[in-house]
Amino acid sequence: KQEVTQIPAALSVPEGENLVLNCSFTDSAIYNLQWFRQDPGKGLTSLLLIQSSQREQTSGRLNASLDKSSGRSTLYIAASQPGDSATYLCAVKSGGGADGLTFGKGTHLIIQP
Amino acid sequence: DAGITQSPRHKVTETGTPVTLRCHQTENHRYMYWYRQDPGHGLRLIHYSYGVKDTDKGEVSDGYSVSRSKTEDFLLTLESATSSQTSVYFCAISGRGTGSSYEQYFGPGTRLTVT
Repeated sequence: KQEVTQIPAALSVPEGENLVLNCSFTDSAIYNLQWFRQDPGKGLTSLLLIQSSQREQTSGRLNASLDKSSGRSTLYIAASQPGDSATYLCAVKSGGGADGLTFGKGTHLIIQP
Repeated sequence: DAGITQSPRHKVTETGTPVTLRCHQTENHRYMYWYRQDPGHGLRLIHYSYGVKDTDKGEVSDGYSVSRSKTEDFLLTLESATSSQTSVYFCAISGRGTGSSYEQYFGPGTRLTVT
């Protein structure tokens, strides 16, 4: 059974810092990996999707990497801003087609102004 | 949001009553999913659909049933609600067109409280 772990569970940093959020998964046979953002009381917003054949994806100040063999992904946020404060979720899709996602419990990020 | 709506957005119900949550999409995605989110557990898959009238169980399907009579709508039913089913329920969609990346898009959620 796939298990996804996110470290740290919570993180508070001053504005402007670069930061890294970590995600690990137990079964390296994945189809893709998605990073989401969730604001309090809201739904999930997809940030980046990395296919199993890819090593990284970039969107603006966000960069996600994937090392499938070691079961790890990182989300790098450059020049953090208070608006980046949210919970970040990592989710793994183990098979193609209709297979669902297995989620980590998230990293709660606070960016101090 | 990707054209996904959920109704109702909030519901309070009593133990033992039936409850149906609706997910509606306007994006013509083939696959639809129901997840629940609970403190300490994160999001977990309840049921999913891979086409009209085609559904399957997820990790936490006990006490839930689903139906999909048309592409746009996926219903989640709690036949007899229990307090352990108090949660936030999210619908998701994926799989539009050929060569899909299978990226999942989530609805705004339904907060259900069973008293």
